[in-house]
Amino acid sequence: AQSVTQLDSHVSVSEGTPVLLRCNYSSSYSPSLFWYVQHPNKGLQLLLKYTSAATLVKGINGFEAEFKKSETSFHLTKPSAHMSDAAEYFCVVSDWDAGKSTFGDGTTLTVKP
Amino acid sequence: DAGITQSPRHKVTETGTPVTLRCHQTENHRYMYWYRQDPGHGLRLIHYSYGVKDTDKGEVSDGYSVSRSKTEDFLLTLESATSSQTSVYFCAISESPRQANNYGYTFGSGTRLTVV
Repeated sequence: AQSVTQLDSHVSVSEGTPVLLRCNYSSSYSPSLFWYVQHPNKGLQLLLKYTSAATLVKGINGFEAEFKKSETSFHLTKPSAHMSDAAEYFCVVSDWDAGKSTFGDGTTLTVKP
Repeated sequence: DAGITQSPRHKVTETGTPVTLRCHQTENHRYMYWYRQDPGHGLRLIHYSYGVKDTDKGEVSDGYSVSRSKTEDFLLTLESATSSQTSVYFCAISESPRQANNYGYTFGSGTRLTVV
């Protein structure tokens, strides 16, 4: 069985300051891990993915995530927040057998001017 | 979103009525999925399809049925809508489980369903 926990339901930062969205996972296999972003009234957009290659993964819009197997974590970071980053972010763990994915509960990122 | 459309975008219906949501794709992907999104619960899988007339249940399938008579269309039916089914419903597609694991899914823009 697999599971994913997003440790913060809401994160608020000021524009220009770093962003950290935390995600821990549990999986019986070597997992694939993803971050998706959802802007208001929109569908989910893939931000970045980890699939057993480099542990530091770069995504779109300046986001990065680091896979740490020893800590079972896949935290999402960005050095400097923009107003346009305000959205909901989902961490996802996926297994190889059936392509089924487990979504975290989401973290709402607010960016203050 | 490119290649995948959901209809309707919004619907209000009464308790006890049947409701059908449609997902249409132009990518010729084999796998299609229906998720529901509720505050504090992320996305939860309702049903998925791995080919024409081939479907399987997800983690929250009670009260829902699906059909896939063509590659491009995946229908979600609420046989008798209840207030607990008020939610935002997302359709997703992938070419294969391996592609989904490597590249993620493509999502539609969602259907907001309100059951009153």
